[in-house]
Amino acid sequence: NAGVTQTPKFRILKIGQSMTLQCAQDMNHNYMYWYRQDPGMGLKLIYYSVGAGITDKGEVPNGYNVSRSTTEDFPLRLELAAPSQTSVYFCASSSRYEQYFGPGTRLTVT
Amino acid sequence: KQEVTQIPAALSVPEGENLVLNCSFTDSAIYNLQWFRQDPGKGLTSLLLIQSSQREQTSGRLNASLDKSSGRSTLYIAASQPGDSATYLCAVRRDYGGSQGNLIFGKGTKLSVKP
Repeated sequence: NAGVTQTPKFRILKIGQSMTLQCAQDMNHNYMYWYRQDPGMGLKLIYYSVGAGITDKGEVPNGYNVSRSTTEDFPLRLELAAPSQTSVYFCASSSRYEQYFGPGTRLTVT
Repeated sequence: KQEVTQIPAALSVPEGENLVLNCSFTDSAIYNLQWFRQDPGKGLTSLLLIQSSQREQTSGRLNASLDKSSGRSTLYIAASQPGDSATYLCAVRRDYGGSQGNLIFGKGTKLSVKP
């Protein structure tokens, strides 16, 4: 039982490049989330999904896109990367009561 | 809009001391509250989860309390150890009639326990 997995662990992008952050969970959770964490700050919600085919914006969605074709996978797409997207990205999935977090992806845009 | 505040932002204590971390939230309509630990450059480790109907939860040297009506939670750490040094995050889950809302996080309290 791997829980929530994220790839890659680290990535450096140049301004204007695109990439996809991968997230997968093996707990059969319907709810999944993407958060970002900036230095000295708590986590902020980017996008979330309540099941395959259903996604919605969180607090800071600009510059990101998501899709949810299966229960297990919830990738986050960055188009035209900007320095403001330098952050640590956490994916989470949720049981009825508790959220479980992946190890994070540290992204630097230069 | 729900806001979560954690006080103090940083705390340094000698080993063996008992300590309290504070968390306050502006909207009492929460589903539950979760305390996390985060080590530098690492992910989040869930410490304790308190449902809105509960008053406290305990795990080893950790005790978390919840007073929903006043919008407050405390995390009590007994007999602190250098290994407790980390950032502690408080997060509340919104109540959408029992459905699964996202977490709203505080900025955290950075704890340093000196040997």
